[in-house]
Amino acid sequence: AQTVTQSQPEMSVQEAETVTLSCTYDTSESDYYLFWYKQPPSRQMILVIRQEAYKQQNATENRFSVNFQKAAKSFSLKISDSQLGDAAMYFCAYRSQTPIYNNNDMRFGAGTRLTVKP
Amino acid sequence: KAGVTQTPRYLIKTRGQQVTLSCSPISGHRSVSWYQQTPGQGLQFLFEYFSETQRNKGNFPGRFSGRQFSNSRSEMNVSTLELGDSALYLCASSSTDPTYNEQFFGPGTRLTVL
Repeated sequence: AQTVTQSQPEMSVQEAETVTLSCTYDTSESDYYLFWYKQPPSRQMILVIRQEAYKQQNATENRFSVNFQKAAKSFSLKISDSQLGDAAMYFCAYRSQTPIYNNNDMRFGAGTRLTVKP
Repeated sequence: KAGVTQTPRYLIKTRGQQVTLSCSPISGHRSVSWYQQTPGQGLQFLFEYFSETQRNKGNFPGRFSGRQFSNSRSEMNVSTLELGDSALYLCASSSTDPTYNEQFFGPGTRLTVL
């Protein structure tokens, strides 16, 4: 079974600086999706960024980018120019790229709580 | 499009009671998944429904059940509530378009069992 590990329960960053959140996963599959979700305090979980395993190019979304190392099964999230609004719980997630009509539930890591200091 | 909606947002029950939570997915989404989120256990997968059929189930006791209706709306039921069932219950929906494989989450239902 696929597992996702986030080894940093908490991280802290100064406003305007850069922080990297780590994520590793275990799978025997070659095709899959990886995601970073953000859950602000008492607010809805939203997608930050997604990466298809077949793409070698790392995904970017404005200040958010990933470092996807398929061989190492590593998927880190870099937040540049951190803002106070980035403070949240961040979850790394894995989903198999099997046909949509098969079982492909999403596996989540334990989460990293990010604090942004003004 | 409207997002995933969940009702009620907050619920207080006592041990032994049962509860039903509701989830309306994004229009056009046929897959609905349910998760339990607690500080100690994180996000744990409960089950997934697709076209009114449960096609995947997590490691939860039989007290947790669900169903999906023809309009893709889903309900989950917890019977004989225990204190440990206190949690945030999240619903997420997915498109059948394989290009988009992410899940879209609702705001959750905060269940407190006294």
